[in-house]
Amino acid sequence: KQEVTQIPAALSVPEGENLVLNCSFTDSAIYNLQWFRQDPGKGLTSLLLIQSSQREQTSGRLNASLDKSSGRSTLYIAASQPGDSATYLCAVSPPNFGNEKLTFGTGTRLTIIP
Amino acid sequence: EAQVTQNPRYLITVTGKKLTVTCSQNMNHEYMSWYRQDPGLGLRQIYYSMNVEVTDKGDVPEGYKVSRKEKRNFPLILESPSPNQTSLYFCASSSLATNEKLFFGSGTQLSVL
Repeated sequence: KQEVTQIPAALSVPEGENLVLNCSFTDSAIYNLQWFRQDPGKGLTSLLLIQSSQREQTSGRLNASLDKSSGRSTLYIAASQPGDSATYLCAVSPPNFGNEKLTFGTGTRLTIIP
Repeated sequence: EAQVTQNPRYLITVTGKKLTVTCSQNMNHEYMSWYRQDPGLGLRQIYYSMNVEVTDKGDVPEGYKVSRKEKRNFPLILESPSPNQTSLYFCASSSLATNEKLFFGSGTQLSVL
């Protein structure tokens, strides 16, 4: 059974710094990997989706990488801002399945210190 | 605006009193799903639907029912709620096209006393 781990559970970083969030998964046979952001009192927002054939995806200050062989993904946030404070979750889907079989990590709560 | 709408946002009820949490999406998505989120356990799927009249169990379906009579709506029904169903619930939807992002509602915080 696929297990997704995000360490650390919480992270505090001064404003302006670049940072990396980690996501590990036990079964390297995945279809895609998604990174989500969750703000308090709100639902999850999909940030980036990396297909299994891709190595990375970029959106603005965010860059997500995928290394299937090692079972790892990272979310890089450049020039962090207080508005980046949120919980970030990753999720993977197995081969031949889409969103109906996602396995989520428990997230990293990120705080950007002004 | 494309969105997934859940109601109510907050709900306090008592053990055994039937309740329904509604979910509606305006993006013509085929796929809809319900999750519960608990501290330390992350998001767990309750039920999902691949299209109208097609539903299937997720990882934690016990104590829940769903129906998909219309494409836009996917209500979650708790026939006899119990305290262990106190949780934060999310509805989500997406198209069935390859590698489509998942859209979430704002959540329903349920407390069963």
